Amino acid sequence: DVKVTQSSRYLVKRTGEKVFLECVQDMDHENMFWYRQDPGLGLRLIYFSYDVKMKEKGDIPEGYSVSREKKERFSLILESASTNQTSMYLCASSSPRDRGGSGANVLTFGAGSRLTVL
Amino acid sequence: DQQVKQNSPSLSVQEGRISILNCDYTNSMFDYFLWYKKYPAEGPTFLISISSIKDKNEDGRFTVFLNKSAKHLSLHIVPSQPGDSAVYFCAATTNAGKSTFGDGTTLTVKP
Repeated sequence: DVKVTQSSRYLVKRTGEKVFLECVQDMDHENMFWYRQDPGLGLRLIYFSYDVKMKEKGDIPEGYSVSREKKERFSLILESASTNQTSMYLCASSSPRDRGGSGANVLTFGAGSRLTVL
Repeated sequence: DQQVKQNSPSLSVQEGRISILNCDYTNSMFDYFLWYKKYPAEGPTFLISISSIKDKNEDGRFTVFLNKSAKHLSLHIVPSQPGDSAVYFCAATTNAGKSTFGDGTTLTVKP
């Protein structure tokens, strides 16, 4: 019954390494999102995508890039990892066709990827 | 500029009593408000939502109240159960589909 899969649950990387976080959804959702969760800061939007090959910056895009070559897959890339990118990364997807009872645009999240940068 | 705020980082209640989690927002353009629940080592899961044109939505033990004039919403859980212990995130959406989240409130329900 897994709907949003994040390939790595735990990663440890060194400063300066290139890091790929992969996310795949099987719900045929158009929209995909990357958030990071930090204590006391809640969930902050990094990047999102409404369609294949399309991407939009969220609230904290600096130091990150994304790739959406297929509808079901949304990758987050840290070009040169830094210690301040140590965090829990959450991928989510949604669709205008798949709304909550009130009509809200509901996000379905993956289990998260805990990244530690040393 | 934090558009969605949850001012209580934590809340502790006794099993069987009511839990009230609060959320304030600043953007009048939000069209829906949602609550998500998150257990450790899991992603958040959707709990309940409300349209900005409503003032109340109820689903079993969970009720969300919206006060648009005060830009305030609350989640009521009655009766609270130990399994409700989790982090609760308030979120708000615009018609562009973007969600803005609060910082979260950690609820602990004591047996």
